[in-house]
Amino acid sequence: GEDVEQSLFLSVREGDSSVINCTYTDSSSTYLYWYKQEPGAGLQLLTYIFSNMDMKQDQRLTVLLNKKDKHLSLRIADTQTGDSAIYFCAETEHQAGTALIFGKGTTLSVSS
Amino acid sequence: AAGVIQSPRHLIKEKRETATLKCYPIPRHDTVYWYQQGPGQDPQFLISFYEKMQSDKGSIPDRFSAQQFSDYHSELNMSSLELGDSALYFCASSARRDNEQFFGPGTRLTVL
Repeated sequence: GEDVEQSLFLSVREGDSSVINCTYTDSSSTYLYWYKQEPGAGLQLLTYIFSNMDMKQDQRLTVLLNKKDKHLSLRIADTQTGDSAIYFCAETEHQAGTALIFGKGTTLSVSS
Repeated sequence: AAGVIQSPRHLIKEKRETATLKCYPIPRHDTVYWYQQGPGQDPQFLISFYEKMQSDKGSIPDRFSAQQFSDYHSELNMSSLELGDSALYFCASSARRDNEQFFGPGTRLTVL
């Protein structure tokens, strides 16, 4: 079945870059997403990438996709304390209407 | 911008009771999704609807049912509640032609 894996924790200093990694197993994954969840809050869609793209940049966020290795990464430039949260990688095979399959989430801790 | 609305935000029930969770999607979104997130867990997909018809089904227990109404809002009905049903329940919405799911703030259900 489909599986999405992430490392559980990442600790960085304020101002450094953070790189959160994700691997997935489903070759037919069409869309790959990054969501952010702060304690007790909902899931905020940060960005997504189509499987036919290698990279997507949005302000401080850069998503890199290696389809051959089924590896996705999220780079946060100039990490701030407000970036401390759980980051979930998610994938779906099809367009709208089908379920998101989430990884376990990576807890990012930013120290000042 | 308008977001997904969920009610109630918090709910406390006894074992074997029933609960109804409501979701109001973003205006002009026609697809709704329900996810369950246990403590320290990733969100697990339950069920989704498009134009009042079930679109996709995940790990939804037989004790739960859901529907989407003509105004696109959705309700998740949960019966014979068990302690293990205590979780955050998220609703998400999307436009059918799009691939972005936007999440509501969640309903925290506690079963005593």
